Amino acid sequence: QVQMVQSGAEVKKPGASVQISCKTSGFALNDYFMHWVRQAPGQGLEWMAIINPAGNSTSYAQKLQGRVSMSRDTSMHTVYLELTSLRSDDTAVYYCARDFGEGIDSWGQGTLVTVSS
Amino acid sequence: DIVMTQSPLSLPVTPGEPASISCRSNQSLLYKNGYDYLNWYLQKPGQAPQLLISLASRRASGVPHRFSGSGSGTDFTLTISRLEAEDVGIYYCMQALETPLTFGGGTKVEIK
Repeated sequence: QVQMVQSGAEVKKPGASVQISCKTSGFALNDYFMHWVRQAPGQGLEWMAIINPAGNSTSYAQKLQGRVSMSRDTSMHTVYLELTSLRSDDTAVYYCARDFGEGIDSWGQGTLVTVSS
Repeated sequence: DIVMTQSPLSLPVTPGEPASISCRSNQSLLYKNGYDYLNWYLQKPGQAPQLLISLASRRASGVPHRFSGSGSGTDFTLTISRLEAEDVGIYYCMQALETPLTFGGGTKVEIK
C-alpha cells in the first residue's frame, strides 16, 4: 500500500538549515506530483512546494522563495525538502504528500522542526 | 492566490445529529474538464490530514457513506449525516485547481 515515512524530529538554531526526507513505497515517484505542506503549532495548513513526476520542475510558495528547495532521488524512492536561514516562525510539522491528480490523497506522518536559540 | 474561507470555526454536534461545514473560494474552482477541484480533509489530533472528498463530491476509498460533499463554482459544503464520536477533529477544505494549493482555516468539530 501507499506509504510515506519521514525522517525524525529536528531542533535547529536560527539561521541554520534543515533537510527532511520522505521515503515512499507502494507507488512510483515517476508517476506522481509530490508536495510539501507545513503546519505551525495550533495553526492551519500551508503549502510549500511541488515537484513534477519527471523530477525536472519545481515550484515554491512565494514567501519561501530563495530559502526552500525540493528534490528527489528515484533510486532511493525518496523526496527531500531543504529549508535554509531558519527562523522561529519556521517551527512547524512538515508533511510530504502525494498528488493523485485530484489534489493530495496521501500524507507522510509529519516531521516536527523546532527552531530555537 | 485563491483564498479559501471556511465556516463555522467551531461546531459542537450531538452524536447521531447531522453536521454541515461551508467552504467558499474567491474564484471558481471549475476546471475545463467539468470538475470542481475542491477537496475535504479531516485531521484527527496528533495525526496527518486524511482525504475524505475529492472533486467536491467524490468520496475517497474507505470513507463512510455518512460523509458527503456538494457544491460547485465557489460554494461548497461538507455534510456528515449522523455524527459519530470518531468524527471529531479539524476539517479543512483545499483547492486543488492550481498551485499554490490553498486551504481553508479549518473547522473544529467536537461532541456536544
